[in-house]
Amino acid sequence: NAGVTQTPKFRVLKTGQSMTLLCAQDMNHEYMYWYRQDPGMGLRLIHYSVGEGTTAKGEVPDGYNVSRLKKQNFLLGLESAAPSQTSVYFCASRYQGTAFYNSPLHFGNGTRLTVT
Amino acid sequence: GENVEQHPSTLSVQEGDSAVIKCTYSDSASNYFPWYKQELGKGPQLIIDIRSNVGEKKDQRIAVTLNKTAKHFSLHITETQPEDSAVYFCAADTGGFKTIFGAGTRLFVKA
Repeated sequence: NAGVTQTPKFRVLKTGQSMTLLCAQDMNHEYMYWYRQDPGMGLRLIHYSVGEGTTAKGEVPDGYNVSRLKKQNFLLGLESAAPSQTSVYFCASRYQGTAFYNSPLHFGNGTRLTVT
Repeated sequence: GENVEQHPSTLSVQEGDSAVIKCTYSDSASNYFPWYKQELGKGPQLIIDIRSNVGEKKDQRIAVTLNKTAKHFSLHITETQPEDSAVYFCAADTGGFKTIFGAGTRLFVKA
């Protein structure tokens, strides 16, 4: 049981290049999330998905796109990378829960992206 | 909008001492309060959580308290050890799709 797996672990891009970050979970979780972590700013939500084929914008969605074609995978795309997108990106998933039961997030170990 | 404030941003303690991290949330509908520990180079991991129908929860050296009236919740670590050194995040959850995180506390435990 690998939990949440992110690839790649590190990447360096030049301004204007594109890339896709991959996230896979093997816990059959409905909800999946992409966060970015910058020094002093905690974790900020980029996009999230509440089920296969659905996505929604989070707090900082500009410059990113996502897709959830399969329940276990959640992809984050950067179409034209900018230096402001230099960050550590975390994928997370969790059980759907109910109105009376919330469940914790399970995080991957992150992708460190540098845009020059 | 919803907000979670976390203090202090940095905390340094001597091994064996206690550490306390405090958080305040703004959304009165929040009903679930997880705490995550992030070690260097890794993703955050849940260490303890508390639900709104409980005032206190303890797991060995870690405890969390919740004051719903004041919208405060705190993490208490007793008998700190060097391996407790990490970044700690509090969070508040309303049962919807999103979790609101605090900005994090970097804890240093000096041997």
